[in-house]
Amino acid sequence: DVVMTQSPLSLPVTLGQPASISCRSSQSLVHSDGNTYLFWFQQRPGQSPRRLIYNVSNRDSGVPDRFSGSGSGTDFTLKISRVEAEDVGVYYCMQGTHWPPTFGQGTKVEIK
Amino acid sequence: EVHLVESGGGLVQPGGSLRLSCAASGFTFSTYWMSWVRQAPGKGLEWVANINQDGSEKNYVDSVKGRFTISRDNAKNSLYLQMNSLRAEDTAVYYCARGSGYSWWGQGTLVTVSS
Repeated sequence: DVVMTQSPLSLPVTLGQPASISCRSSQSLVHSDGNTYLFWFQQRPGQSPRRLIYNVSNRDSGVPDRFSGSGSGTDFTLKISRVEAEDVGVYYCMQGTHWPPTFGQGTKVEIK
Repeated sequence: EVHLVESGGGLVQPGGSLRLSCAASGFTFSTYWMSWVRQAPGKGLEWVANINQDGSEKNYVDSVKGRFTISRDNAKNSLYLQMNSLRAEDTAVYYCARGSGYSWWGQGTLVTVSS
């Protein structure tokens, strides 16, 4: 199985400051169809996961533009340009390129 | 608006069975792959199983193969997970998720396997 490794696992941030989460895969996530099926999810406390980003860098409808995704191959990043209080929660990367789909361990974002 | 509502969770003894349901609305259910993803208490997310649009293709994580069965009823806009021979390590919140891109998730249903 493809191992997804996130860092850091805990990320204290100051309101209004940027934040960055890294996600590395044990194999390239480029699919034979040319797409890279790397997703980012946000899970706020007590809530179900919500998809933020699909195929590395495409933001879902309704997701604030302070969230952005980038990367290629095996290295990916989720960035929050200016953290707001509502961004507190756990963020997961997930790959859908190889079978079975696998998630990263999660990164807990909290306010300092 | 898209809605996914899971039900059927509860407390069950080791070795027992449970059937989860996921009622879908707000989209054309029959045109989407559907998945089950679980989250053990205080832990991360684990993909469990998925099923294609007409139910002819089903996939499972190794740890549930032979014990869990995913199915769907497109006429009822519903997804199911039959769970047999349950173990303590199956204790988790079970979410249904829409599509091969996991674009929408339900609120989850808690399954607790304990004597």
